[in-house]
Amino acid sequence: AQKITQTQPGMFVQEKEAVTLDCTYDTSDPSYGLFWYKQPSSGEMIFLIYQGSYDQQNATEGRYSLNFQKARKSANLVISASQLGDSAMYFCAMREARWSSASKIIFGSGTRLSIRP
Amino acid sequence: NAGVTQTPKFQVLKTGQSMTLQCAQDMNHNSMYWYRQDPGMGLRLIYYSASEGTTDKGEVPNGYNVSRLNKREFSLRLESAAPSQTSVYFCASSVESNTEAFFGQGTRLTVV
Repeated sequence: AQKITQTQPGMFVQEKEAVTLDCTYDTSDPSYGLFWYKQPSSGEMIFLIYQGSYDQQNATEGRYSLNFQKARKSANLVISASQLGDSAMYFCAMREARWSSASKIIFGSGTRLSIRP
Repeated sequence: NAGVTQTPKFQVLKTGQSMTLQCAQDMNHNSMYWYRQDPGMGLRLIYYSASEGTTDKGEVPNGYNVSRLNKREFSLRLESAAPSQTSVYFCASSVESNTEAFFGQGTRLTVV
């Protein structure tokens, strides 16, 4: 069964430092996608980055990169040069790719990131 | 761009009352989802739908029913609300591929 684990309930990081948010997953499907979302205090869900299981390179989007280690089943989010506006909840999510039927997207429990000035 | 629209944004119910949360998307997506988020926690999948007329249970379906009325609309019904259903409810949609899900703004439901 699909499972997403985020083991860091909360993190404090100094502004301008890089930060890594951990995510491990479990699936028996060889084809899947991994996502990271940001949820600021206002509550909306903001998509950050996506990694497919067959992608050869780690995904990057601006200051966000995904450290994908398939053998370890980990998909850590790296935020470079953190900013005060990065303070938020961060969720890792996974979708098993079942092309002929609905594939559900499940989420981890989240990490609350706080950036110190 | 409207994206995913949820109504209402806020609702207070008494225990035992029923209500339907509405969700509509204008992106021509096939897949739609309902999640609940309890304070300080992640999103848990209630039900999802691959296409009009099909629905599947997620992680926490008990106490809920859904209807995929057409491609645009996916509603969530609480037949007899309980205080344990106090939560923020999110609707989301996506295409049938490895792309992200787009979320509505959420419905904050309180059951007293």
